[in-house]
Amino acid sequence: DVKVTQSSRYLVKRTGEKVFLECVQDMDHENMFWYRQDPGLGLRLIYFSYDVKMKEKGDIPEGYSVSREKKERFSLILESASTNQTSMYLCASSSPGVVTQYFGPGTRLTVL
Amino acid sequence: AQKITQTQPGMFVQEKEAVTLDCTYDTSDPSYGLFWYKQPSSGEMIFLIYQGSYDQQNATEGRYSLNFQKARKSANLVISASQLGDSAMYFCAMRELSSQGGSEKLVFGKGTKLTVNP
Repeated sequence: DVKVTQSSRYLVKRTGEKVFLECVQDMDHENMFWYRQDPGLGLRLIYFSYDVKMKEKGDIPEGYSVSREKKERFSLILESASTNQTSMYLCASSSPGVVTQYFGPGTRLTVL
Repeated sequence: AQKITQTQPGMFVQEKEAVTLDCTYDTSDPSYGLFWYKQPSSGEMIFLIYQGSYDQQNATEGRYSLNFQKARKSANLVISASQLGDSAMYFCAMRELSSQGGSEKLVFGKGTKLTVNP
């Protein structure tokens, strides 16, 4: 079974803090993705990576950065968290030979 | 412009009945893929079904089938014999090529909340 894990299910941070969301997959997938999900807006792609040290901006990259130093790990970084970044964050992974993306359980981030 | 449109924010169905969740898409790429995912209240995204643009037959997976009408650019999900456990958010998504690196990514609709009544 493909497994995508995220470091926290729930996270509460203060405005201005630097926040790291970690995602690890165990299926040797080349591609990894970070989405945010807000009610009524669906899933929106923040960043994705198709190889180690490679990254591409998604639809809403502002206020976020990413890091992929190892193939299995993809980190989302909020340099200075703001209240409008309160959201559910979902990580996913895929491979060119695989039909679908596999999702982690999500991290519900609250910024106070 | 929205690439994936789900016009039903919420749907209700009686247990054991069939329900259709609507999805229309917009692309000029001749090669694309369409997906449906289920998200229960626990939050995980569960892959349900996939349809490739060149597939001749409509995709089916158990009680799920995808009504693919290419000319109308629609990819509706049909759930037969609804069960209480089908209550969840359902997302339609389309795979498209990234304009930058050439890798593939998914574009999601806003979702439909399905409630199955006993």
